[in-house]
Amino acid sequence: GQNIDQPTEMTATEGAIVQINCTYQTSGFNGLFWYQQHAGEAPTFLSYNVLDGLEEKGRFSSFLSRSKGYSYLLLKELQMKDSASYLCAVTDSNYQLIWGAGTKLIIKP
Amino acid sequence: DAMVIQNPRYQVTQFGKPVTLSCSQTLNHNVMYWYQQKSSQAPKLLFHYYDKDFNNEADTPDNFQSRRPNTSFCFLDIRSPGLGDAAMYLCATSSTSGGANEQFFGPGTRLTVL
Repeated sequence: GQNIDQPTEMTATEGAIVQINCTYQTSGFNGLFWYQQHAGEAPTFLSYNVLDGLEEKGRFSSFLSRSKGYSYLLLKELQMKDSASYLCAVTDSNYQLIWGAGTKLIIKP
Repeated sequence: DAMVIQNPRYQVTQFGKPVTLSCSQTLNHNVMYWYQQKSSQAPKLLFHYYDKDFNNEADTPDNFQSRRPNTSFCFLDIRSPGLGDAAMYLCATSSTSGGANEQFFGPGTRLTVL
């Protein structure tokens, strides 16, 4: 079966750095997405990785290792507004998007 | 601004009373999706349209139907809502014209079944 694993919940301090990990087992791979979802709202696109390595976009970076079936989302200089769920999703060989359940990130002052 | 619009944002219906949720987009994307998302769970794909081609997920209940009369609009019909159908319903679009093909989501419709 297809599976995306990510921690259920993480806590971090305002101004700090946090890394949210995602591992996947899918039938084929055509890219990995990270989405941010605030409570009661729709997911919004954060990043896309299809090749190995680090993609940096402002305070957020995303890393991919296809051989390990592993990705992480790195958030720097955390702000209170970063409190949200972060969903990892993988496009499989049929170009279907397989979603993780999300990691709820709690930021404390 | 180009966007995905869902109406209504909040919908209350009674057990067994049909309800229709609507989605429209100004992005001119050829693919449209309907997801069901319950609290602290991953979005669950119900169906998607690739242009006019309808694709139903194998485990989507028959109680759920969809229509896409044109590129811009897509509807989700729940014929006889049960208590277990209370959830957030998300519409999303994407383009297969190249690039990351990321999905753009509407704000969602939160359905309550009484």
